[in-house]
Order: sequence, then structure tokens, then C-alpha cells
Amino acid sequence: GENVEQHPSTLSVQEGDSAVIKCTYSDSASNYFPWYKQELGKRPQLIIDIRSNVGEKKDQRIAVTLNKTAKHFSLHITETQPEDSAVYFCAAIKGGGNEKLTFGTGTRLTIIP
Amino acid sequence: DAGVTQSPTHLIKTRGQQVTLRCSPKSGHDTVSWYQQALGQGPQFIFQYYEEEERQRGNFPDRFSGHQFPNYSSELNVNALLLGDSALYLCASTRRVYTGELFFGEGSRLTVL
Repeated sequence: GENVEQHPSTLSVQEGDSAVIKCTYSDSASNYFPWYKQELGKRPQLIIDIRSNVGEKKDQRIAVTLNKTAKHFSLHITETQPEDSAVYFCAAIKGGGNEKLTFGTGTRLTIIP
Repeated sequence: DAGVTQSPTHLIKTRGQQVTLRCSPKSGHDTVSWYQQALGQGPQFIFQYYEEEERQRGNFPDRFSGHQFPNYSSELNVNALLLGDSALYLCASTRRVYTGELFFGEGSRLTVL
């Protein structure tokens, strides 16, 4: 089955700086890669996603890049703000809605004011 | 649109007891998945229901069972509770023809004493 590795497990950056979180996946058939943000005691919320036919996607301060050959994808947050502090999870899935989402182990991001 | 709703939000059980958790999917969604999230970990896939049948199952023992009703709502049952079953149980819904985001509920936090 699919295996998703995520690094780093914790990340602290100064407010205004950029943060990068990296994930690798094992199943080359995976074709959809969402990123979720989870605040303490809350549900995971989708912040951005990318499909395998796209190399990069951007939404305001958040961007995701995908390298299908190397089977890795990354989340980039620019101009970080205190409200960006949370746990971020990458995930991978293949096929349609009958497939399960495999999550990475999470990155705890702390923005230092 | 109420999104994905789960109940109860919190509950405490003792070892050996049984628990039932409930989930109502987002309007228009017909597929429900259950995930277990232990403290500090990423969500782990338990199983998925579509058309009232279990379609996929993760690496969880038979103590974990589920059901989906004609209105697409779902239940997760756990028998013979163990201390290690303490976790946040997340329900997620999507459409069978998967076009994007998996919507998560706020979860049911189970504590087993």
C-alpha cells in the first residue's frame, strides 16, 4: 500500500519568513495530493491540493509543488503569520472516491512573533 | 449546509466496553470514511462505506465495525475497548465520483480508562 513520509516533524520560523514542508510517497499510481491544516482540537481542513498532471499550484501565500519522477511534493508558506501555527499533514490518494487517503505523520509549525 | 457532523464529541469508556460513534455526511455526499487519529499522529484509515457496504478496510481488527444507512449516515462500532483505542475518531465524506476534497467532521474524542 501507499506510504507517505513527511519532514520535518517540527518547524519554527520567524513571523514573515517562509516555511517549507516536504513529503515523499511510495505508490507511483497516486494522483491527488492534498494538504491539511489541523489546529489543536479541531478537524483537518484542506488548505491546498494538487493533481498529478500539474507541477505547481499557488493560492495566495500558499503553494504546493509536485515532482512525479522523484515522488515528492512540498508545501510552501510565504510571509508567515501567527495564525499559520498548526499541524500540517500531507496526504496521497490514487484513483477515485473508492480509494483511501494516506496521511503523512504531520509537521508542527510554530510561527515566532 | 451543515457539513459533516459527528456525535458524540467526547466520551469516556472503560476497558472492555463497547462504543458507537455516529456521522452524518455533507449534503450531496454518498461515501463515508472513518479515520483514527492518536495523539500526535496523522489520521489512520479504518474503513470506507458506500451503498451501505464496506468497500475498503485499513489495518484494524474486527473489533472495529461499521454501518451505513440509506440516508448515507454512518456508524462506527468498537467492541472490547482497549486503552490503545483512545483517540480522535474522524469521519470524512465525499462523492463516489471523487472530484476533490475529503470533508472531515470535528471528530469524536474517545478516552478509554
